[in-house]
Amino acid sequence: QQPVQSPQAVILREGEDAVINCSSSKALYSVHWYRQKHGEAPVFLMILLKGGEQKGHEKISASFNEKKQQSSLYLTASQLSYSGTYFCGTESWDTGTASKLTFGTGTRLQVTL
Amino acid sequence: SAVISQKPSRDICQRGTSLTIQCQVDSQVTMMFWYRQQPGQSLTLIATANQGSEATYESGFVIDKFPISRPNLTFSTLTVSNMSPEDSSIYLCSVEWSQGAGELFFGEGSRLTVL
Repeated sequence: QQPVQSPQAVILREGEDAVINCSSSKALYSVHWYRQKHGEAPVFLMILLKGGEQKGHEKISASFNEKKQQSSLYLTASQLSYSGTYFCGTESWDTGTASKLTFGTGTRLQVTL
Repeated sequence: SAVISQKPSRDICQRGTSLTIQCQVDSQVTMMFWYRQQPGQSLTLIATANQGSEATYESGFVIDKFPISRPNLTFSTLTVSNMSPEDSSIYLCSVEWSQGAGELFFGEGSRLTVL
């Protein structure tokens, strides 16, 4: 089953904050976050490996709640360059030794002036 | 990081034909994957390309329709066989960067339109 992301879409003004959520029905081993701009390949943002882990990347950070099988991506003081579609990618404990991701439904984010 | 070259970047194909997409990586990688992304949609894993052995396909994808080759640690091909309009999509090659935390790098994608 594909992880569900919320919201599906969000429009922000430059400088505003946003939270994107990723929820899975499976027990998760790790969560990745990627951003894809229109017509381009997805670009890796960060990976969270442990339950409760939080990581940061410039003004973008994320948390992973292993118990709730959820992850959230936090974008603070958004910039125009943050526009794009954000995908979480999850690795579940039942996928065996080969690491492969199941991507979420996606969240389209647009930052305006 | 890994640099991935994919070709063709786009093509228009006739129903019933087959097309092979090539993926070249600038360094040796163990794990290579093929994804499909329909316009405005998420990414769906087609298969894991295993070096020296048959690819491992996900549910809903079969070898006869999507044969994959992986002759070495830097190259793979995906063939979309006997195409129909439903195969119109973007096909993405990706690799797991084993020198990092396991993140994926993606090629620029091959946009196929089947008429």
